[in-house]
Parts: sequence; structure tokens; C-alpha cells
Amino acid sequence: AQTVTQSQPEMSVQEAETVTLSCTYDTSESDYYLFWYKQPPSRQMILVIRQEAYKQQNATENRFSVNFQKAAKSFSLKISDSQLGDAAMYFCAYRNGGATNKLIFGTGTLLAVQP
Amino acid sequence: NAGVTQTPKFRILKIGQSMTLQCTQDMNHNYMYWYRQDPGMGLKLIYYSVGAGITDKGEVPNGYNVSRSTTEDFPLRLELAAPSQTSVYFCASSYPYPDGKSTDTQYFGPGTRLTVL
Repeated sequence: AQTVTQSQPEMSVQEAETVTLSCTYDTSESDYYLFWYKQPPSRQMILVIRQEAYKQQNATENRFSVNFQKAAKSFSLKISDSQLGDAAMYFCAYRNGGATNKLIFGTGTLLAVQP
Repeated sequence: NAGVTQTPKFRILKIGQSMTLQCTQDMNHNYMYWYRQDPGMGLKLIYYSVGAGITDKGEVPNGYNVSRSTTEDFPLRLELAAPSQTSVYFCASSYPYPDGKSTDTQYFGPGTRLTVL
């Protein structure tokens, strides 16, 4: 069975600085996708970034980028120029590449942004 | 588009009561999902559906039932509520690629906070 591990329950960053959130996963599949979701106090889950396992290039979305290390099964999220609005719970998630799309979530990292 | 909507936002149940959590999406997505999120934890899949009339169990289905009579709606039924079902419930939907392979990103509703006392 696939698992997702986030070893940092809480992180803190100064406004305008850069922070990296860690995620590791375990799978025997070769075709899969990885995601980072943001959950602000409103509780809604918001997709931040996605990575296809077959792509070697790391995904980037504006200030958000990932470091995808397939052999090490690592998928970290880097937030550059952190803003107060980035404060939230961040979840790493995995799903197989098959037709049934079931997400497996990590336990989350609570990010605080200090002004 | 309203996206994925869920009702109610909050609910308190007594042990043994039943209720239905409503979920509707207006994006014509084939796939729909129900998750629960316990305090300090990630989301766990309860049930999912790949289309009208088709449902299947996820990781934690016990104590719940679902139906999918239309593409838009995917209600979650709690029978005989128990304190262990106190949680935040999220509905999500996604759309498969035209080639029928892996579905695209999941879109989440705002959640329903349920307390069972």
C-alpha cells in the first residue's frame, strides 16, 4: 500500500523569506502523481501544485516550486517570497496513475508566516 | 460555476441519529469522492463514484452509505451516528482525461463540520 509521510508538523518563516516543506512517499508503482494542497482556516482544500512522476522537470507555479527526487521518493515544496496569506496547513498527496483516482494524504504541515 | 458545494456547513447530532450530507458539483465531473478529516490528520477516503449508478468503498467506509443517481449529486448518509464520526467531511470531484486514463486534479468543497454527542 502507498503511504505519504510529512515529518514536519509545524514550520515557521519570516515574510519575504523562503521555506521548504518536506514530503516522502512509498510506492511500488511507476505511474503516479504527486500534489501539494493548501488548507487555510476556511478549511477548503486548494491545489497548489502537481507533479507527474514521468516528468523529470520539477513543477513550478509562480512562487511555489517542488523538488521531486523520484529515486529517493521525496517531494518537497519550496515557497519563495513568503506572504502572510501563505499561512495555512499544507498537505502532500499521492495518487496512482490508474483510472480510479484515489488520493492518499500525509498528515500535514502547519505553516506560520511571521510579519 | 459554483464548483463543489456542500450542505450543511455545520451540524450537531446525537448518538444514534441519522443524517445526509449533501454534495453537488456543476462542472459535469464524472468522478466524485467523500473524505473525512480528523483533527491533526490528513484526509481519508470514505467512498467514491466514477459515474452515475457506480459507487465503491474507500479506506474508511464503515458507518456510511452513498448513492449516485445523477452526475451532479453525491450524498453521504450516516446511519446511527457515533462519536467516532465526529470529523470534517469533504466532498471532491474530478474529470477523466478524454483517453479514459487518469483523472485530473480533484476539486474540493468547503467541508461540513459534524459533531456527534
